[in-house]
Amino acid sequence: SQELEQSPQSLIVQEGKNLTINCTSSKTLYGLYWYKQKYGEGLIFLMMLQKGGEEKSHEKITAKLDEKKQQSSLHITASQPSHAGIYLCGADYTGAGSYQLTFGKGTKLSVIP
Amino acid sequence: DAGITQSPRHKVTETGTPVTLRCHQTENHRYMYWYRQDPGHGLRLIHYSYGVKDTDKGEVSDGYSVSRSKTEDFLLTLESATSSQTSVYFCATAPQWGQLKRTDTQYFGPGTRLTVL
Repeated sequence: SQELEQSPQSLIVQEGKNLTINCTSSKTLYGLYWYKQKYGEGLIFLMMLQKGGEEKSHEKITAKLDEKKQQSSLHITASQPSHAGIYLCGADYTGAGSYQLTFGKGTKLSVIP
Repeated sequence: DAGITQSPRHKVTETGTPVTLRCHQTENHRYMYWYRQDPGHGLRLIHYSYGVKDTDKGEVSDGYSVSRSKTEDFLLTLESATSSQTSVYFCATAPQWGQLKRTDTQYFGPGTRLTVL
């Protein structure tokens, strides 16, 4: 079974709408990394969460790690076409930081102008 | 962003031929990784390196080998390519512990699209 589940698998939203992507782990996370991938390109790091209850924001993207450290959500406010892409979460299950990451399958986001 | 290049960026080859993909980094990062990305499977680790000549297997290492003779280069070899190895391959790097900043992460290359006919 998959250790790290992302939902939804794909999402189509109208420009200006808010949206949330979830990343659920079957075991406790030491750290959770969010990446964005534009089609045909490599992954770009968005943010990293370590502490239960932690919340970080970058421009219109906010990520949270729940208190039990088994789920993270990525929230985009007032979506824009530039937000389109594939969002992946990566889990640190070892406590060794980013050296050993397990990735989810990704959420494909399309934003309709 | 870390200076990571991959070559070739695109390759079409035939079943049974050997293929080598190259990852080159200019950041002096200690750790290097090879992943493959496939629809429905996401990103899966093939092999990784924690130093020159120090490598280990990842989740999907069968049919692949790696070598790292210099800090900056990490090679992925498919000894005899099969159609199931058609995929997009990503290289990533990460700095050595002690150089790690709290917000540090793995840095990814642009990817190599490999098609095995």
